[in-house]
Amino acid sequence: KAGVTQTPRYLIKTRGQQVTLSCSPISGHRSVSWYQQTPGQGLQFLFEYFSETQRNKGNFPGRFSGRQFSNSRSEMNVSTLELGDSALYLCASSLQGADTGSPLHFGNGTRLTVT
Amino acid sequence: DQQVKQNSPSLSVQEGRISILNCDYTNSMFDYFLWYKKYPAEGPTFLISISSIKDKNEDGRFTVFLNKSAKHLSLHIVPSQPGDSAVYFCAASGRTGTASKLTFGTGTRLQVTL
Repeated sequence: KAGVTQTPRYLIKTRGQQVTLSCSPISGHRSVSWYQQTPGQGLQFLFEYFSETQRNKGNFPGRFSGRQFSNSRSEMNVSTLELGDSALYLCASSLQGADTGSPLHFGNGTRLTVT
Repeated sequence: DQQVKQNSPSLSVQEGRISILNCDYTNSMFDYFLWYKKYPAEGPTFLISISSIKDKNEDGRFTVFLNKSAKHLSLHIVPSQPGDSAVYFCAASGRTGTASKLTFGTGTRLQVTL
């Protein structure tokens, strides 16, 4: 089975711009979660989608949004970029979602740099 | 509010010896506990998990212990190998409320020396 695929791997954007990140989950996985990783902060939960519905949301401002399509692929959007948004953004998929103990399988992430 | 804590940012262990990584949590609603390993420039990889109804789970060289009364879990790697050098994250989730998302600790960097 192909793993979780995230595109692009690297992005450089300017403050104030917006960005869209893409994630293709493992075939058959219906849950997609997004995390932000910054040095010293570990992995911070952004949101989880299950069958096109947002099931859970972390403590991030409304500039961070996402969606999931009928084929389970997901996109994450960040508007009005700030320097502090520079981070590794990780997408993970699972069969049934984190609330069932089903392990999350991660992609290799998108490294976003905001200048 | 850090619900999952890994208080040791780094650990160095000799090859062949035991590595013990520790993790504490505060949310009593957590039902599932997982360990992930992460190499640079890659996403985290699932290692092993345990549910709250058990106190031990073993998979090859990896064993996870859960002490619910102390809200503490640990990952034992025996014997440690140089390829185990990576950042290890513990994570927890539960069925309801604030626990229903997978919450990660800040990670422990393990270095296995020759």
